[in-house]
Amino acid sequence: DGGITQSPKYLFRKEGQNVTLSCEQNLNHDAMYWYRQDPGQGLRLIYYSQIVNDFQKGDIAEGYSVSREKKESFPLTVTSAQKNPTAFYLCASSPRRMNTEAFFGQGTRLTVV
Amino acid sequence: DAKTTQPPSMDCAEGRAANLPCNHSTISGNEYVYWYRQIHSQGPQYIIHGLKNNETNEMASLIITEDRKSSTLILPHATLRDTAVYYCIGTNFGNEKLTFGTGTRLTIIP
Repeated sequence: DGGITQSPKYLFRKEGQNVTLSCEQNLNHDAMYWYRQDPGQGLRLIYYSQIVNDFQKGDIAEGYSVSREKKESFPLTVTSAQKNPTAFYLCASSPRRMNTEAFFGQGTRLTVV
Repeated sequence: DAKTTQPPSMDCAEGRAANLPCNHSTISGNEYVYWYRQIHSQGPQYIIHGLKNNETNEMASLIITEDRKSSTLILPHATLRDTAVYYCIGTNFGNEKLTFGTGTRLTIIP
């Protein structure tokens, strides 16, 4: 089955630790995106990548880092510099062409205690 | 991406048509209007998209005004499972950010 997979679904970490969220897609999509969602809020863009080995900051990149070494993978690291890391994180991918659509993973809920 | 404006919340009676509006006055000529919905604690799900013409699929209909400054998503016979947050975005999936607003929280009332 083609799709986009985020793992794990739930993640707990102690304050001050870095944590990496996984996002893998087998849709052969060039573009990938990371979003953060807080309770009752919309999706806010953290980072996006249009092509391998290149990525751009979104609207709330501070305290996060990404890499795009492979087309199918776009891991997000939540660093200790992120002041409020507890949130729901969503990954998406899309082709880079018109008249298409983006696909989302099912999300990772990160809780930092 | 085009900036979009949606009402924060709407109610609709079960079995009636739900009409969700979206303003996208800054949309450019090559940007499509997309609608997604997000059921609680899940990833957003694609519903429908269009450029100029009205579109219909098994989930919904999309009506785009002639000047393309606004659109309406229509769920013809709303069910309780349609309760979700609905997002309208304008994009061409080119070298752009893919940004979502706060959406419309649609509640279907039995």
